[in-house]
Amino acid sequence: QSVLTQPPSASETPGQRVTISCSGSNSNIGSNYVCWYQLLPGTAPKLVIYRNNQRPSGVPDRFSGSKSGTSASLAISGLRSEDEADYYCSAWDDRLTGVVFGGGTKLTVL
Amino acid sequence: EVQLVESGGGLVQPGGSLRLSCAASGFTFSNYNMNWVRQAPGKGLQWVSYIISSSSNKFYADSVKGRFTISRDNTKKFLYLEMNSLRAEDTAVYYCARHSGGAGWAFDIWGQGTMVTVSS
Repeated sequence: QSVLTQPPSASETPGQRVTISCSGSNSNIGSNYVCWYQLLPGTAPKLVIYRNNQRPSGVPDRFSGSKSGTSASLAISGLRSEDEADYYCSAWDDRLTGVVFGGGTKLTVL
Repeated sequence: EVQLVESGGGLVQPGGSLRLSCAASGFTFSNYNMNWVRQAPGKGLQWVSYIISSSSNKFYADSVKGRFTISRDNTKKFLYLEMNSLRAEDTAVYYCARHSGGAGWAFDIWGQGTMVTVSS
């Protein structure tokens, strides 16, 4: 059971927009920054969003993040086949004194 | 090229010990806080431990507290994870990850991971 809650799966067709949600509590998302990671099979995790809505250098602007209260979301527009991956949200938890992750969302580009 | 390379994984019996290493290159290792994160087979990411750049502060996940010890050698540019009293549930790919300075708790550089299997 993950501290942050994500839907296990999401799917959309190429060119469309998909949103992945991440729900937490006051001790994590509600009081700390959220980041998102992309995991492709056999490769190291890649940071795609940090500080709620900032993109690291090299991440296309098709990726965007937002946060409201104790929830956050990752949106990917203009979907491409290479976006098919697992996505994880993460935040520091003040009560647990550690980093917590969501359970991950498997994105399928149909 | 900024790079992290883990090593030291393998098969170990329950109750055994293992020491993981992570070699850093391409950046000033001593300026960055570092972490270990793991992913069990078929499961999600789980943060394991954190160490500040000076080694003066460390955090651990409750599931490994008292059994795992994180350390670093800034002169050699290595991060370590000493794992004792290993359990089957510690079986996972272990990643070392660089803490992105000033960006909250975000990890901007990850290694490829090293597999640890705890089984008799």
